[in-house]
Amino acid sequence: QVQLVESGGGVVQPGRSLRLSCAASGFTFSSYAMHWVRQAPGKGLQWVAVISHDEGHIYYADSVKGRLTISRDNSKNTLYLQMNSLRAEDTAVYYCGKTIAGPTHAPIDYWGQGTLVTVSS
Amino acid sequence: DIQMAQSPSSLSASVGDRVTITCRASQGISNYLAWYQQKPGKVPKLLIYAASTLQSGVPSRFSGSGSGTDFSLTISSLQPEDVATYYCQKYNSASWTFGQGTKVEIK
Repeated sequence: QVQLVESGGGVVQPGRSLRLSCAASGFTFSSYAMHWVRQAPGKGLQWVAVISHDEGHIYYADSVKGRLTISRDNSKNTLYLQMNSLRAEDTAVYYCGKTIAGPTHAPIDYWGQGTLVTVSS
Repeated sequence: DIQMAQSPSSLSASVGDRVTITCRASQGISNYLAWYQQKPGKVPKLLIYAASTLQSGVPSRFSGSGSGTDFSLTISSLQPEDVATYYCQKYNSASWTFGQGTKVEIK
């Protein structure tokens, strides 16, 4: 069965960096676009970034452009989110998600359990 | 960027009631719209995609409709297990924006 397991969250000071990972199993990782979505405490879902199956297409939400970088290693079945210049407003649970079909323009049918990132001094 | 506006932001209805949530896009998005359910403390779950296609395993009391800018999610007979927040999401062009969510409670 499809499994997505995020890791790398924690407490970090403003301006510092963090790298999140999402280990995927139970499907052909290299065939699907993957997303990062975040949810601040008590708030709604906010889409962060998407990467196509072959890294040929990458898109970001305006609020994270230039600071967050999505990448993947298909040989390791792992999705990453490099987070630089972190701000208090980046505090959230970060979910990775698999698209229902190969293309990037498809909804998310499986979600990880999420990893909490807290940006605080 | 295309914005997604959901209404209402919350609702309270009785078991067995028909419940409708709407989602309006600021520009046309064809049928590139999904609906998700998030129960308290849980991860989101895909209910409907392509505006009206029911995801496998989702009860048939859930249905979606619409195209272009106006969409709706309907629960034909509200059940206690449907207590959750519901989100729409567009997935065309270069932004996969979510609506702000609709919290559904039992009266």
